[in-house]
Amino acid sequence: NAGVTQTPKFQVLKTGQSMTLQCAQDMNHNSMYWYRQDPGMGLRLIYYSASEGTTDKGEVPNGYNVSRLNKREFSLRLESAAPSQTSVYFCASSAGLPNEQFFGPGTRLTVL
Amino acid sequence: GESVGLHLPTLSVQEGDNSIINCAYSNSASDYFIWYKQESGKGPQFIIDIRSNMDKRQGQRVTVLLNKTVKHLSLQIAATQPGDSAVYFCAEFWGNTPLVFGKGTRLSVIA
Repeated sequence: NAGVTQTPKFQVLKTGQSMTLQCAQDMNHNSMYWYRQDPGMGLRLIYYSASEGTTDKGEVPNGYNVSRLNKREFSLRLESAAPSQTSVYFCASSAGLPNEQFFGPGTRLTVL
Repeated sequence: GESVGLHLPTLSVQEGDNSIINCAYSNSASDYFIWYKQESGKGPQFIIDIRSNMDKRQGQRVTVLLNKTVKHLSLQIAATQPGDSAVYFCAEFWGNTPLVFGKGTRLSVIA
């Protein structure tokens, strides 16, 4: 039981490049989330998926898109990366919205 | 909009002492609260939760207190150890929306 896994662990992009961050969970959870965490800051919600087939914007969705591929997988895409998107990205999952969230180890993204 | 806040951004505690981390919330409709611990380079990890119909909940060396009158949440860590050094986040939940996280408090344990 791996919990929540994220790939890649580290990534460096140039401004304007695109990439997709992958997330998978093996806990049969309904809800999945993407957060960003800037240095010394808290977690800010980018997008979430309350259940398979649905996605909703969080606090900071601009510049990102998401896909809930199936119940296990939830990907985050940066279409045209900007230096302001340099951050650590965390994926999380929970049984439902009003439940404890389990977090992945994070992806450290630098945009030059 | 309303958000979770914290009284102290940093807290230094002597090893063996008790730690108290505070959190203020502004949404009186919040009915579920969680404390998370985040060690350096890792994702947040669940510590303890409490629902609004409770005032206190205890875990192993941790206690969460909820004061709904003043909208205040606290996390008490007994006999603080070096391994407790981390950033602690409170998070609140209301309605049918995801958890809202506070900015966090960094706890430094002095050996």
